[in-house]
Parts: sequence; structure tokens; C-alpha cells
Amino acid sequence: DGGITQSPKYLFRKEGQNVTLSCEQNLNHDAMYWYRQDPGQGLRLIYYSQIVNDFQKGDIAEGYSVSREKKESFPLTVTSAQKNPTAFYLCASSLNSATNEKLFFGSGTQLSVL
Amino acid sequence: QQQVKQSPQSLIVQKGGISIINCAYENTAFDYFPWYQQFPGKGPALLIAIRPDVSEKKEGRFTISFNKSAKQFSLHIMDSQPGDSATYFCAPNQGGSEKLVFGKGTKLTVNP
Repeated sequence: DGGITQSPKYLFRKEGQNVTLSCEQNLNHDAMYWYRQDPGQGLRLIYYSQIVNDFQKGDIAEGYSVSREKKESFPLTVTSAQKNPTAFYLCASSLNSATNEKLFFGSGTQLSVL
Repeated sequence: QQQVKQSPQSLIVQKGGISIINCAYENTAFDYFPWYQQFPGKGPALLIAIRPDVSEKKEGRFTISFNKSAKQFSLHIMDSQPGDSATYFCAPNQGGSEKLVFGKGTKLTVNP
């Protein structure tokens, strides 16, 4: 059953704490993306990666970090520098970014601040 | 910069009615025009998409109409059903571009 798995579904962060959101895909896709969704704001790109060991900042990268050590995995760390982290985080993948291939999304992680 | 304008922000339709959502864009290099559907607590999923070589594409009750000269495309949902209640996003993009630009979404409510 191919797809994108995000975990956890819900996550709570204490002030000053770093938290990591997991994203795994078994679609053999090259490109992976992280989006942040706030009510009424649509989807905003945080980071994207076209190949292993390479990633680029999106529009709102400050306070976030990523890694891409394996093709299947693209974890997102929300650092303590992100002062307003409460949002719905979505991971996505596409076959590659050189074509208009559609995005496949995970089911998201809701992050809240304690 | 606002490259994509989606309207309306919210829409309420009676069961059996027609739902129409519009997306206007600025970048004339865009060559792929998808609509995504998102249910609460879930990730978006591609619903239907069109390329600029055709002006209309129909898949079941869902139709995309594309107007290249006006730089806009729209989603029409015929015979709207309560199960269509969701948020819809347009995301026009350009081949080779890594960064998709999403509209801000339209929350559709179909009353029974």
C-alpha cells in the first residue's frame, strides 16, 4: 500500500523545545516537500528536497530545519526559534520536480504549543 | 507577492446545486492547472487538472474550465453532494519549477 506516512498525528511542544515531525514515503519519489497550513492562509512552503542530501529553503524556512539522508525520509524539526509553531504541517512528494507531476500528501501533523 | 487569487473564500450550496470556484493567476508561464480537495484533518488530494492545450476537462461531476487570455480557471461541481463538503485549492504551476503556489482555499459546504 504505497503512500506517505506522517507521524505523529498530534504533537505538543513546550516553550524552548525542539520537536521533530516524521515523514516517510514508499512511492520512490525523488522530490519531497514540507508545507505549513494555517486557517485561511492556504499552504506555505517551508522546505523542499529534490534529491538525497540536498534541500532548499521555501518561503517560510526560518525556525525550521530538515534533513534528507534517505530517499524515503524527510523529517522536519521545529526549533525553539520558531515563535509561532501552532499549525497543521503537511508533507508531500512528487515523482520529480522537473515535470508537473502531481503532489501526494500525507495526512498531516497538528502541532500545538503547551 | 500574490501570484494566485482564489475566490470565493467560502461557498454554501444546496444539495443538487452547482458549485463554482475560481482561480486567477499572473504568471503566464504556468502550464499545469490542478485543483486539490482537502477534507478536515486530512492532506489535500489531487481532484482534477488541466493543461493549457484544452479549454475544458470533465471527470464525472467535476469540470475544469480554462481561459488562457483571462489567466483564470475554474472548478465546477455539478449536482453537488454533502460528501463534496471540503476545502478546495488551486495550485497552478510551471514545469521545472520546484515551488508550487497554492491559492488560499475555498471552503465548500453542501447542505442536505
